[in-house]
Amino acid sequence: AQSVTQLDSHVSVSEGTPVLLRCNYSSSYSPSLFWYVQHPNKGLQLLLKYTSAATLVKGINGFEAEFKKSETSFHLTKPSAHMSDAAEYFCVVNGASGGSYIPTFGRGTSLIVHP
Amino acid sequence: KAGVTQTPRYLIKTRGQQVTLSCSPISGHRSVSWYQQTPGQGLQFLFEYFSETQRNKGNFPGRFSGRQFSNSRSEMNVSTLELGDSALYLCASSLYSGVQETQYFGPGTRLLVL
Repeated sequence: AQSVTQLDSHVSVSEGTPVLLRCNYSSSYSPSLFWYVQHPNKGLQLLLKYTSAATLVKGINGFEAEFKKSETSFHLTKPSAHMSDAAEYFCVVNGASGGSYIPTFGRGTSLIVHP
Repeated sequence: KAGVTQTPRYLIKTRGQQVTLSCSPISGHRSVSWYQQTPGQGLQFLFEYFSETQRNKGNFPGRFSGRQFSNSRSEMNVSTLELGDSALYLCASSLYSGVQETQYFGPGTRLLVL
């Protein structure tokens, strides 16, 4: 069984300040973890993914995330927010059981960026 | 490369009807997954097709079905529509099937059931 919890439904930051979007997961397997972003009326776009290689993962647009197994966390960060970062962010856990899997999405975090 | 395309983009149906949604994956991608997105339940995995075979299935009733053709295009069918089926249906493609695969999402089909 697996689950994912995005700890904040909304995060509000000022442009130029750091961004932290929190994600905790639970999985019986060695999962892959993903962060996707969804802009209004658009499909989801991959920001980054962890697949059991380096625990610090760098993604597009200056985002990065660190896989911490002891804390079962995969928080997303960015040093300096930009207005264009305003969107919905989804943390996803995907682990296989007997060759089958069901990607599990968090409920999403809405990032609001103030000028 | 062209991205994932979904048709139609918007659809209005009434309860009891059935609907078919179409998804064309990125050229060369062999896996297609379908998701339902609603405000109440969030994003939920419906099923995945790879090389014309259903590989994985989420926890949805049998009214939701799909298929994949030899050119990797996929269709999703919902029979006997219910009001609760109103949602954004997203299709995603990837090169192969697997937990590490990056999925590329289409813009979605927004279905409204009246």
